[in-house]
Amino acid sequence: TQLLEQSPQFLSIQEGENLTVYCNSSSVFSSLQWYRQEPGEGPVLLVTVVTGGEVKKLKRLTFQFGDARKDSSLHITAAQPGDTGLYLCAGVTTSGTYKYIFGTGTRLKVLA
Amino acid sequence: DTGVSQDPRHKITKRGQNVTFRCDPISEHNRLYWYRQTLGQGPEFLTYFQNEAQLEKSRLLSDRFSAERPKGSFSTLEIQRTEQGDSAMYLCASSEGYQPQHFGDGTRLSIL
Repeated sequence: TQLLEQSPQFLSIQEGENLTVYCNSSSVFSSLQWYRQEPGEGPVLLVTVVTGGEVKKLKRLTFQFGDARKDSSLHITAAQPGDTGLYLCAGVTTSGTYKYIFGTGTRLKVLA
Repeated sequence: DTGVSQDPRHKITKRGQNVTFRCDPISEHNRLYWYRQTLGQGPEFLTYFQNEAQLEKSRLLSDRFSAERPKGSFSTLEIQRTEQGDSAMYLCASSEGYQPQHFGDGTRLSIL
């Protein structure tokens, strides 16, 4: 069974601080996606990473896919209250059916 | 709005009743996914369709659950004889082939 573990599970920081969220697995994924979800809404796609070692930037967010395509990180620079939400990584399986395995989630709260 | 649409947004029912949820995917998307999400956790895969064919079902999907996508467009998820443990957010997502999936805002089910 492919599992994705995220850390930390909860994070509460002050506005302006930097943070990193990790997404780890013992399995290889063909690609990995990061989503942000707000209460009462569905997850919204932030980025897809495909190539091992790939780095993508989205304004203050930097996403990295591990060289072996087993792990990923999300770094937020100068966090703002609007970054508050549940961050989810999702790996696409490499074997059998094409489907998504979601991580356990990181709940971020940025205080003004 | 041409995003993924789910109906109803909220459903409250008594234990033992049957419930049915509907998902209308983005019109050109051939893949449709159902997930279940409990509070603060990542979505858990339930099943997915490619066009009208149901290609995989999770072990989480007991025989009380059934999903259909009769014409390869909208999909329904039915839960028979609901139990307390069925209380969750049920999310639908769609994608075109191997492109990233897009989520609806979910149906929140509460079992009294």
